[in-house]
Amino acid sequence: GAGVSQSPSNKVTEKGKDVELRCDPISGHTALYWYRQSLGQGLEFLIYFQGNSAPDKSGLPSDRFSAERTGGSVSTLTIQRTQQEDSAVYLCASRPTIAGNTIYFGEGSWLTVV
Amino acid sequence: KNEVEQSPQNLTAQEGEFITINCSYSVGISALHWLQQHPGGGIVSLFMLSSGKKKHGRLIATINIQEKHSSLHITASHPRDSAVYICAVTSGTYKYIFGTGTRLKVLA
Repeated sequence: GAGVSQSPSNKVTEKGKDVELRCDPISGHTALYWYRQSLGQGLEFLIYFQGNSAPDKSGLPSDRFSAERTGGSVSTLTIQRTQQEDSAVYLCASRPTIAGNTIYFGEGSWLTVV
Repeated sequence: KNEVEQSPQNLTAQEGEFITINCSYSVGISALHWLQQHPGGGIVSLFMLSSGKKKHGRLIATINIQEKHSSLHITASHPRDSAVYICAVTSGTYKYIFGTGTRLKVLA
């Protein structure tokens, strides 16, 4: 696609339910990132993919969070047993290679846990 | 102390004013990025620079590698420039280090 696409754009879920957030990066981009942004806060790194591998998942806040990437393309971030503190915007970004290129962000998935 | 510091945190300007947002960093970098985030949440990359100066429309970004400092200037500001401006640095690897952003409001 023309840009990084994320879905759903908005999700309201009940505490304790699982959610899946999807990211479709720009075609051909090997590097993919997930970030989280709570209201009024800066970007919090969650995980980095190079191809289908995740060499850095150090930002995942707990074992309730997991992510995968298949075919060097689409990535899914899964949050199990959601908690209210998980409420945030989850942003996906991609860029062509590891270094030296512009990064492109999706519009984000707004998650509200009630 | 954050590795990337921005100032000011908040800025209100009148339409037409010249605006400067500053970014200082304390690590070695390969590139510095200026990003814009509108209230809807989407983030757009404005500039990536490793030396000198870049210009795009009314936006100008400069960097001084020796002083580890960059500025983003907006000339003839307009209400549609209202957004959060984020400075980020990369150091030749995959990692981005983000500043906390400068929230700009331009009043008509």
